[in-house]
Amino acid sequence: NAGVMQNPRHLVRRRGQEARLRCSPMKGHSHVYWYRQLPEEGLKFMVYLQKENIIDESGMPKERFSAEFPKEGPSILRIQQVVRGDSAAYFCASSPVGQGTMNTEAFFGQGTRLTVV
Amino acid sequence: DQQVKQNSPSLSVQEGRISILNCDYTNSMFDYFLWYKKYPAEGPTFLISISSIKDKNEDGRFTVFLNKSAKHLSLHIVPSQPGDSAVYFCAAKTDYGGSQGNLIFGKGTKLSVKP
Repeated sequence: NAGVMQNPRHLVRRRGQEARLRCSPMKGHSHVYWYRQLPEEGLKFMVYLQKENIIDESGMPKERFSAEFPKEGPSILRIQQVVRGDSAAYFCASSPVGQGTMNTEAFFGQGTRLTVV
Repeated sequence: DQQVKQNSPSLSVQEGRISILNCDYTNSMFDYFLWYKKYPAEGPTFLISISSIKDKNEDGRFTVFLNKSAKHLSLHIVPSQPGDSAVYFCAAKTDYGGSQGNLIFGKGTKLSVKP
């Protein structure tokens, strides 16, 4: 039973380029969460998605960032026109039900380390 | 404004002794608390959790204590082992309000267990 799969593990982008981070949840999980960890910081919630729906995007920056979780395929976190401040580790987590409805811990992927040069 | 605070960035303990990691929170609406363990270059892995209706939860060498009046929780690891060396994150969530799907994390405490 594969865990949460994120790719790529490492991503280098030049300022102004686009970054696409992919997350395949665990089998049977329909809820996906994206978190960002800046150096020396804890994980900060970005967005919570179910299949084809954004449930909570209160942690997403207002511009340049978007997320989707299509009916088929992985969840995608997209960052347009990246800047140096976007350099961070981006973690995806999945759970079988929403964390707000049941006290189920989320399982995290290994993260994508984005470096903007 | 940090709602979940881990005031000790690091902790060093001798193998076999007890490790106590502390966490304070400010939001009285939090109703569920979790501890995650993270090794370098890996994602966090769930360790143990506690509901706000309890004051203690135990799982093997790991025990979490919750003091709601003080808005404080702690993770005890007994006996500590070198393989426990990692960064430990405290996290909390609430079932109320719009942000039901997210966890609020502390900044983490780096535990080093010396042989």
